[in-house]
Amino acid sequence: EPEVTQTPSHQVTQMGQEVILRCVPISNHLYFYWYRQILGQKVEFLVSFYNNEISEKSEIFDDQFSVERPDGSNFTLKIRSTKLEDSAMYFCASSRMGAGGPDEQFFGPGTRLTVL
Amino acid sequence: GENVEQHPSTLSVQEGDSAVIKCTYSDSASNYFPWYKQELGKRPQLIIDIRSNVGEKKDQRIAVTLNKTAKHFSLHITETQPEDSAVYFCAASMDSSYKLIFGSGTRLLVRP
Repeated sequence: EPEVTQTPSHQVTQMGQEVILRCVPISNHLYFYWYRQILGQKVEFLVSFYNNEISEKSEIFDDQFSVERPDGSNFTLKIRSTKLEDSAMYFCASSRMGAGGPDEQFFGPGTRLTVL
Repeated sequence: GENVEQHPSTLSVQEGDSAVIKCTYSDSASNYFPWYKQELGKRPQLIIDIRSNVGEKKDQRIAVTLNKTAKHFSLHITETQPEDSAVYFCAASMDSSYKLIFGSGTRLLVRP
């Protein structure tokens, strides 16, 4: 069964550095998402992406964040100047178009970002 | 915006017993309610979902019920097994915004 993949599995960075988290969504999916989960807390929505543009973003997704689909397979999340509070597990998800809109969201294994 | 509340935060049951986890949502426009199971250090995985045009859905030992009037939905696991131990998250979304709004999670422990 196809799965969403993410790289790297763990990223350690210094505060103020830029990081790029990479995702390969399931190939026939059209909707892409980033979520984050701070250790021990719930999963929080960051941004959704469809038709090569952002569909919606949360308050968390401020100017230091950006997303890109640089080619037909990758979907990236860039954090320009990382802060300590950006430390979290970042999940990519994708979904196909269902009858009434996006279908079930499939999650990747996550990238654990640690900001020192 | 939408807010999802989930209870209890932890639940311990004896193997073979049933477990019930409850969620409430605030926005009546929400019409899709998935449940995800997350094992330690792993990705959330969909175990069952329900749309607002039905009141109940069942898949083997797992069922979900939805009360649109009261804006709450519940996950029922019967004949629990130790491998059911995990954190379970409810979520809600709507057609105008496909993002999932998650509850705070329930840590289920099934004691052998």
